[in-house]
Amino acid sequence: AQKITQTQPGMFVQEKEAVTLDCTYDTSDQSYGLFWYKQPSSGEMIFLIYQGSYDEQNATEGRYSLNFQKARKSANLVISASQLGDSAMYFCAMREGWAAGNKLTFGGGTRVLVKP
Amino acid sequence: EAGVTQFPSHSVIEKGQTVTLRCDPISGHDNLYWYRRVMGKEIKFLLHFVKESKQDESGMPNNRFLAERTGGTYSTLKVQPAELEDSGVYFCASSQEARRRSPLHFGNGTRLTVT
Repeated sequence: AQKITQTQPGMFVQEKEAVTLDCTYDTSDQSYGLFWYKQPSSGEMIFLIYQGSYDEQNATEGRYSLNFQKARKSANLVISASQLGDSAMYFCAMREGWAAGNKLTFGGGTRVLVKP
Repeated sequence: EAGVTQFPSHSVIEKGQTVTLRCDPISGHDNLYWYRRVMGKEIKFLLHFVKESKQDESGMPNNRFLAERTGGTYSTLKVQPAELEDSGVYFCASSQEARRRSPLHFGNGTRLTVT
């Protein structure tokens, strides 16, 4: 079974609008962390935002926020006021367990194209 | 601070040949990971080093893949002999802190094409 599912393979968004990227996860651990990464066409993987399973507040980092719904096992990324530079692949990932050395498991990614 | 560096950025080899990928993690990062993304699929975990020791190599696909991290600094990933299905992008990542919320810092990847 997929541990991380990103159901949107690609999407268009108008510049300056907000966009929500879906991510659902599957784990039996009570302690886990969720990450979002951005991969522009240049290829590097850029860390965007983190949400811990015990965090009571939804994570925010500038224009990025995470809509964390623990009971539904979803961790959607919201990008506000989209910019042309937001065009990229976006990956949701999960780390299970307490040990920080535990690997990240990635979803298939969502390609976002921001239109001017 | 220099980021994670990977060499080469691209490699094109023939089936049956050998290729060695190199990763230089961020200085001081004890944790080093190898991942790969094949044919637009998910990014898959290959293995994890803590310093020079292999902590988890459960993702290594078969014994044609050999990873080393001598001295706990840079790491190499050798594919010998390469097969067509090994084509993809190989990412290296590192992290320093032993904390659950520590993100991995990725390199730009090596795009491997096996013909």
